[in-house]
Amino acid sequence: EIVLTQSPDTLSLSPGERATLYCRASQSVSYRYLAWYQQKPGQAPRLLIYGASSRATDIPDRFSGSGSGTDFTLTIRRLEPEDFAVYYCQQYDNSPYTFGQGTKLEI
Amino acid sequence: QVQVVQSGAEVKKPGSSVKVSCKASGGSFSSYAISWVRQAPGQGLEWMGGIIPIFGPANYAQKFQGRVTITADESTSTVYMELSSLRSEDTAVYYCARAGVRGSYSWIDPWGQGTLVTVSS
Repeated sequence: EIVLTQSPDTLSLSPGERATLYCRASQSVSYRYLAWYQQKPGQAPRLLIYGASSRATDIPDRFSGSGSGTDFTLTIRRLEPEDFAVYYCQQYDNSPYTFGQGTKLEI
Repeated sequence: QVQVVQSGAEVKKPGSSVKVSCKASGGSFSSYAISWVRQAPGQGLEWMGGIIPIFGPANYAQKFQGRVTITADESTSTVYMELSSLRSEDTAVYYCARAGVRGSYSWIDPWGQGTLVTVSS
C-alpha cells in the first residue's frame, strides 16, 4: 500500500499570501497519478488537480500542482478567503487508492 | 453534467449491516469506476473500494475485505455499498464518487453528497 504523508498538518496564512502544501509518497507514483482535493466543512471533496499538474474544470489558475515520483506540491498563490479549507492528496496508481491525512489551511 | 446522488442517512445497531445506494445520471455509467470513500467525524478520507460495472468484480481495500460488498445494477445506473458487522468506529460519512476517465480508477470527480451512517446502540 502506498502511504501518502502530507505536510504541514496545519498551515496558518493570510489572504494574499502564497501557500505551499506537500505530499510525499512511500513509493514512487507512476505516471504522476496523483490528485489534489479541497474540502470545506460539511461539503464533499472537490477535485482541484489531477495528473499531478492538470487543473480540473473551473479551478482558478492560482492553484497549481507539480512534482513526480515520490514528492508532490500544491501551490496556491495569492490566497483568497474561500481557499481556507482542508486539502488532500490521493494516488490512483496502485490499489488501494490512498489519501494523505490532509493539510488544514487556516487564516 | 454528470451527477451522483446517494441515499439518505442511516442509524444502525452494532452488529447489523447497512446498504447505501449511489445513482449516477447525466452520463455513461457502466464504463466508469465508482469508488466508495468514507470519512469518520473530524478525520480524513479513506478509500474503501470500488467497481467498474462493465468489468464486473469489485476491488476492495484489504482493511474492508470480508465486510464490504460493492455491487452495480446497470439497468438503473446504481451502485450499492453494503457494510456488515457494524461497530461504532464505522460511524462516518460515506461518499460515492465517479472516476474522471473511463475504464480505470483515475482521479475522482464528481462526488456524491455523502451519506451519514451512525452506529449506535
